[in-house]
Amino acid sequence: NAGVTQTPKFRILKIGQSMTLQCTQDMNHNYMYWYRQDPGMGLKLIYYSVGAGITDKGEVPNGYNVSRSTTEDFPLRLELAAPSQTSVYFCASNTQGAGTEAFFGQGTRLTVV
Amino acid sequence: TQLLEQSPQFLSIQEGENLTVYCNSSSVFSSLQWYRQEPGEGPVLLVTVVTGGEVKKLKRLTFQFGDARKDSSLHITAAQPGDTGLYLCAGTREGRGNQFYFGTGTSLTVIP
Repeated sequence: NAGVTQTPKFRILKIGQSMTLQCTQDMNHNYMYWYRQDPGMGLKLIYYSVGAGITDKGEVPNGYNVSRSTTEDFPLRLELAAPSQTSVYFCASNTQGAGTEAFFGQGTRLTVV
Repeated sequence: TQLLEQSPQFLSIQEGENLTVYCNSSSVFSSLQWYRQEPGEGPVLLVTVVTGGEVKKLKRLTFQFGDARKDSSLHITAAQPGDTGLYLCAGTREGRGNQFYFGTGTSLTVIP
């Protein structure tokens, strides 16, 4: 079972470049989330979606954009990469929102130089 | 500052010792979860607690949700090297059921 799949696993960006982090899930989950995790720390919510066509901001949305055109896919876009966006990014999904088990991808390690 | 503060941030103990990790907030949560994360992997759910005062046991792990639903604790009895990892609490705030917020994390190392 694939679960939640993130690509790429690693990426180095130069300041000002843009990129899209891909996330897809095959569990037919309505809820999807993007988090960032700095070394040795907890996860901070960037954006989330409760279904196709619906997205909302989390704790730290500045510098990021998302879209949800299908149930399966929830890409995260960085338009103008900054060193402060160096982090590990996790995508997650679950069935009925918070309080139910969230399934995570393996993460994307992004370095902005 | 994060909504959920965990303590301690780092913990290094000998195999066989007991330990407790705390997750505290000034906000009320309708549910709280504990996750464990290993290096290079995403977090994996250990338990969900939903009722104030609830206690759940999972083998050597005991989880408690505070009576006021603002805090939680994780107690590990006779720690083993396989318990090593990052422990994260995650809560759903009252009235904001679509989001859940993670704690600051506790990095546990169990030395054989």
